[in-house]
Amino acid sequence: DGGITQSPKYLFRKEGQNVTLSCEQNLNHDAMYWYRQDPGQGLRLIYYSQIVNDFQKGDIAEGYSVSREKKESFPLTVTSAQKNPTAFYLCASSIARGGTGELFFGEGSRLTVL
Amino acid sequence: AQSVAQPEDQVNVAEGNPLTVKCTYSVSGNPYLFWYVQYPNRGLQFLLKYITGDNLVKGSYGFEAEFNKSQTSFHLKKPSALVSDSALYFCAVRDGSWGKLQFGAGTQVVVTP
Repeated sequence: DGGITQSPKYLFRKEGQNVTLSCEQNLNHDAMYWYRQDPGQGLRLIYYSQIVNDFQKGDIAEGYSVSREKKESFPLTVTSAQKNPTAFYLCASSIARGGTGELFFGEGSRLTVL
Repeated sequence: AQSVAQPEDQVNVAEGNPLTVKCTYSVSGNPYLFWYVQYPNRGLQFLLKYITGDNLVKGSYGFEAEFNKSQTSFHLKKPSALVSDSALYFCAVRDGSWGKLQFGAGTQVVVTP
């Protein structure tokens, strides 16, 4: 079955540590996205990538970094510079950025900073 | 810049009754409109979209939505709600083909037996 796989599902981090969230898709989609979800705030875009080796900042990129070395993979690193990293993180993909296509989402990763 | 509003934080409905989740939007160009549903600790699932054509759009799980250009609304509806429809629903809008996708804050639907 085609889809998006995020790992780990749950992650605990001590303050000052970097963590990397994995996102892999086998849908052959060009575009991939990372969103952050906080209660009552909807989804906020962190980073997106339209093609391999290219990515752009979203609305809340500070304290985060990404890479897109392969079409199917778009890992997100939450750095120690992110002041409030506890949140639910969602990875998504679409055929291309923009257009009429909908986003396909992974199951999410919940990060808790202790 | 585009925006989307879901005016109700929560909608309560009895099983078997009609369900409506409201969404209004603001764009400068042609709106591309989407509805997603999220169950606890899960990702979002696509329900339906309006791009062009018939104002009444039918989607998954018996849901439909009506695009109203004059009222800039895209309300989600289901004629007869099920307890299993209890979830968080998100409306999203894109301003034309290359606009950014903007999500609403979400509406929690609670369906009681």
